[in-house]
Order: sequence, then structure tokens, then C-alpha cells
Amino acid sequence: GAVVSQHPSWVICKSGTSVKIECRSLDFQATTMFWYRQFPKQSLMLMATSNEGSKATYEQGVEKDKFLINHASLTLSTLTVTSAHPEDSSFYICSARGDLTYEQYFGPGTRLTVT
Amino acid sequence: AQTVTQSQPEMSVQEAETVTLSCTYDTSENNYYLFWYKQPPSRQMILVIRQEAYKQQNATENRFSVNFQKAAKSFSLKISDSQLGDTAMYFCAFMKKTGNTPLVFGKGTRLSVIA
Repeated sequence: GAVVSQHPSWVICKSGTSVKIECRSLDFQATTMFWYRQFPKQSLMLMATSNEGSKATYEQGVEKDKFLINHASLTLSTLTVTSAHPEDSSFYICSARGDLTYEQYFGPGTRLTVT
Repeated sequence: AQTVTQSQPEMSVQEAETVTLSCTYDTSENNYYLFWYKQPPSRQMILVIRQEAYKQQNATENRFSVNFQKAAKSFSLKISDSQLGDTAMYFCAFMKKTGNTPLVFGKGTRLSVIA
């Protein structure tokens, strides 16, 4: 199957700083990427949907100015958590879908800890 | 809006035995996909099995099979000959076939396989 990578796999940052998470499709062109957040022992919560070259669509309750999503190319989407707070600590997962296909391929996730 | 319900937060099964995980969903759509994903302790999301709603035949993948009851909106997963490596969170997911839509996940079932 197709491969999606995320970088970094884990990151620790201080309150008030920003952190960027990258999601890359390694062997296919991802026209759509999805960003999820997962708290311990809970399900995946969709944060936003991004299409290459256009603005992301955010789910209700997700602050678009805090969670900046950029999908500038067909193989890369980035999530930047701005002015991070301890409550932003979570596991962030991206998935990617190519054109003309229904299947989503998931990245391995990024564990963010804000101190 | 679509919803997915997994009514069993936790289950356990003896190694080599069979276990069935339940999933129901609610939708007014006629064309859609249903999925079961496995999330082991590594937290990598792994596709276990998929079902297209228009197909009456239940999907099977080796030891994994589904019981898809479209009228009842039920989509259970049966794991035969359970193995220790099957220990994981299992998520049932729904996706509309039309449009660029994300997966809608249930809350998950934590399955423990006991030696």
C-alpha cells in the first residue's frame, strides 16, 4: 500500500512557542489530506480537511488561527500549532488520499507535549 | 450527519478463540464505504477490512470477516483464531462515496487477546 510519513514522530515544546508537523505522501500524489487529533484512549477527532492549493476546511470548534494547515504541494501538508499551550498536548495523525481513490493512508502520528 | 456507534468499549478473548466486535451506523446515504481499522500500541492506524455498501457479499480478509446488514445499518467484525498480535483498539468507520469526504469514526473497542 501507499506510504505516508510524519515528522517529527514526537516533539516537546514550551508554552507560547509554535511547532510544525509535516505529513508527506511518499509514493503517490495526495490531492486531499486530513488532520486528526487523538487523546489517550479516545477515538480520532477530525480537525480539518485540506486540498492541494486551496484553504483548509476546519471542523466546528477547531481554531483555524491556532492550527494553521498548509497543503502547498501534492505530497506535503503541514500543521503548525501556534502559541502552544499545555492543553494542545496530544497525538496528531494525518491521512492522505489520492485522486480517483477512496482509500485513506495514515501517517504514524506525532506526539506533541507542551510544557 | 453520519454517526458510528461502537457499544463495546472493551472486550477480551482467549487466544485461538473467535470474537465479534459490534458496530452500528446511521446515515441517509445509499452509496458509502465501511471500514474496520486496527490501532495497536504503536498507534499506527492499520486498515483491517473494507466493505462497499452496494455489495451484498460480506468482505473477508484471512481471519477477519464482517457481517454487513445494510437494512439494519450494522457492520460487525469477526476475528477468528485470535492471536496475541490482534490486541489493539479497533475502530469502525464510515465514509460517503460521493464527494471528498473524511472518515467518520466510532469511539473504538479495546480488544485484549489473552494467552
